[in-house]
Amino acid sequence: AQKVTQAQTEISVVEKEDVTLDCVYETRDTTYYLFWYKQPPSGELVFLIRRNSFDEQNEISGRYSWNFQKSTSSFNFTITASQVVDSAVYFCADYKLSFGAGTTVTVRA
Amino acid sequence: DAGITQSPRHKVTETGTPVTLRCHQTENHRYMYWYRQDPGHGLRLIHYSYGVKDTDKGEVSDGYSVSRSKTEDFLLTLESATSSQTSVYFCAIRAGTQETQYFGPGTRLLVL
Repeated sequence: AQKVTQAQTEISVVEKEDVTLDCVYETRDTTYYLFWYKQPPSGELVFLIRRNSFDEQNEISGRYSWNFQKSTSSFNFTITASQVVDSAVYFCADYKLSFGAGTTVTVRA
Repeated sequence: DAGITQSPRHKVTETGTPVTLRCHQTENHRYMYWYRQDPGHGLRLIHYSYGVKDTDKGEVSDGYSVSRSKTEDFLLTLESATSSQTSVYFCAIRAGTQETQYFGPGTRLLVL
């Protein structure tokens, strides 16, 4: 059974809009970690972030930010002021090597 | 760049033929993984290895076998390919203090 759920299959936005990708995970462990990966149209998988369960702070990297909420078992990813180069499939994954089905983001100029 | 290469990058084969995919790494990482990627399923783990000759099954291991006789090489074999094994196959290694997975460029396999 899938332990990581990405409910959004596709999201389409116009350039400069913000976009938030949802990720919900299941775990019974008290210590765990989660990942986000990007897969651009060229097909490679690019590591974006790893987040530990004991780290309470949200993470920001340039236009990317991540909101980790243990209370709702969510690890959401926001792209601020999206650009065409952000068009890709984004995957959330857990520490047990379970990947979500991915969310395809299309940014239109 | 985690120094991972996969070969071949593209392959077309016929049902019933054996196929071997190779993953090669240059940095002596202990853990290596094989995934398949299919629309609507994300990536699913086939097999992984935690050392030379040490391997274990993943979520979708039926129809696949693996071998690791050297640290740098992890082979995935389809003993008798079926059309359901048409997919994109990714190899990964686990690296760094954060034990993050890094992926190879992928192999596109078409079984006719």
